[in-house]
Amino acid sequence: GNSVTQMEGPVTLSEEAFLTINCTYTATGYPSLFWYVQYPGEGLQLLLKATKADDKGSNKGFEATYRKETTSFHLEKGSVQVSDSAVYFCALRGISSGSARQLTFGSGTQLTVLP
Amino acid sequence: ETGVTQSPTHLIKTRGQQVTLRCSSQSGHNTVSWYQQALGQGPQFIFQYYREEENGRGNFPPRFSGLQFPNYSSELNVNALELDDSALYLCASSFSTGDNSPLHFGNGTRLTVT
Repeated sequence: GNSVTQMEGPVTLSEEAFLTINCTYTATGYPSLFWYVQYPGEGLQLLLKATKADDKGSNKGFEATYRKETTSFHLEKGSVQVSDSAVYFCALRGISSGSARQLTFGSGTQLTVLP
Repeated sequence: ETGVTQSPTHLIKTRGQQVTLRCSSQSGHNTVSWYQQALGQGPQFIFQYYREEENGRGNFPPRFSGLQFPNYSSELNVNALELDDSALYLCASSFSTGDNSPLHFGNGTRLTVT
């Protein structure tokens, strides 16, 4: 079945530091890949996505590149801000999901950015 | 544009009881999915409804059931509650089942089973 393995946290960085959160996946075929962010007390928000190999998703300074050869979708940001503090989830939607838009999530990485 | 709203925000139930959680989808959305998020874990897919029919289900027992109404709002029902059902239940809607229609999540219902 499909699975997502995410870098375990928590991750604590100083403001303006470089961020990398690792994500690797197992799936048959060519899944679509996503990063979601969850702020305290809120639901999940889509941060970025990539639907095919070598695609780069980007939003709000965050980037992730779909690497089929390493089955990875690592999240990066060049300079984090205090407001980026949240839990980040890597997710995939595989072709075995049928007609349902089932997302398979990683366990999440808590990011805390200190001023 | 009204987003996805869920009610109640918090709920406490006793083991063995039944619970109903409600979700109003975003305007124009006809697809609703439910996810269970245990503390410190990623969300797990429960099921999805499209135009009032269940069209996909995750690895959850039959005591988890749902409904979608003609206005596309939805309910999640859980019978014979167990302690392990304590979690954040998230509802997500989209305007179709295709990949180009992103999921919009509500803020969730926090269920505690004692």
